[in-house]
Amino acid sequence: DIQMTQSPSSLSASVGDRVTITCRSSQGVSNSLAWYQQKPGKAPKLLLYSASRLESGVPSRFSGSGSGTDYTLTINSLQAEDFATYYCQQYYATPPWTFGQGTKVDIK
Amino acid sequence: QVQLQQSGPGLVKPSQTLSVTCAISGDSVSSNSAAWNWIRQSPSRGLEWLGRTYYRSKWYNDYAVSVKSRITIKPDTSKNQFSLQLNSVTPEDTAVYYCARGWGMDVWGQGTTVTVSS
Repeated sequence: DIQMTQSPSSLSASVGDRVTITCRSSQGVSNSLAWYQQKPGKAPKLLLYSASRLESGVPSRFSGSGSGTDYTLTINSLQAEDFATYYCQQYYATPPWTFGQGTKVDIK
Repeated sequence: QVQLQQSGPGLVKPSQTLSVTCAISGDSVSSNSAAWNWIRQSPSRGLEWLGRTYYRSKWYNDYAVSVKSRITIKPDTSKNQFSLQLNSVTPEDTAVYYCARGWGMDVWGQGTTVTVSS
């Protein structure tokens, strides 16, 4: 199975900050990489797919980049509603699909 | 828009079968361009993909190795839904279970909290 490792596990930030979360896969996933936002008691919400493609309706302050084994989620000008836990997920080639352990973004 | 509505019991006894159903609206379980997944989430395991079903002229299933001997995912075309059955459950199977569409999963059910306890 492809292992997904996110860093950091948690971070504290202020409204207006730029936040960067990284995700590393144990083997190349050829941009078959999604990012999700999850708030307590809710299902994950897709933010980006194919590493950098913004899901419809997601604010443009969210962006993704990367290639091979290293990917990044960036949130420009963090808003109050962005405090949540973020997950990466690979869907390269054949299952099993695997998720990172999550990065919790909370208020500084 | 596409919606997934989950249903199923919240409490299952050890050794019994966990069953959760996901009803689809706005899409078809028989779509030739979709895949229908089950994922679970627990504090100890995080988000864990369990398996999927999809139709490409015939039905296919893929399952996670960790549950392969115990899991069945079945489509029900008459009701436009799909179901998860997990046999011989233990307290380790206590989790929130989600259904979701796709590869980058763009539509999720609301989640079903399942507790395995006597």
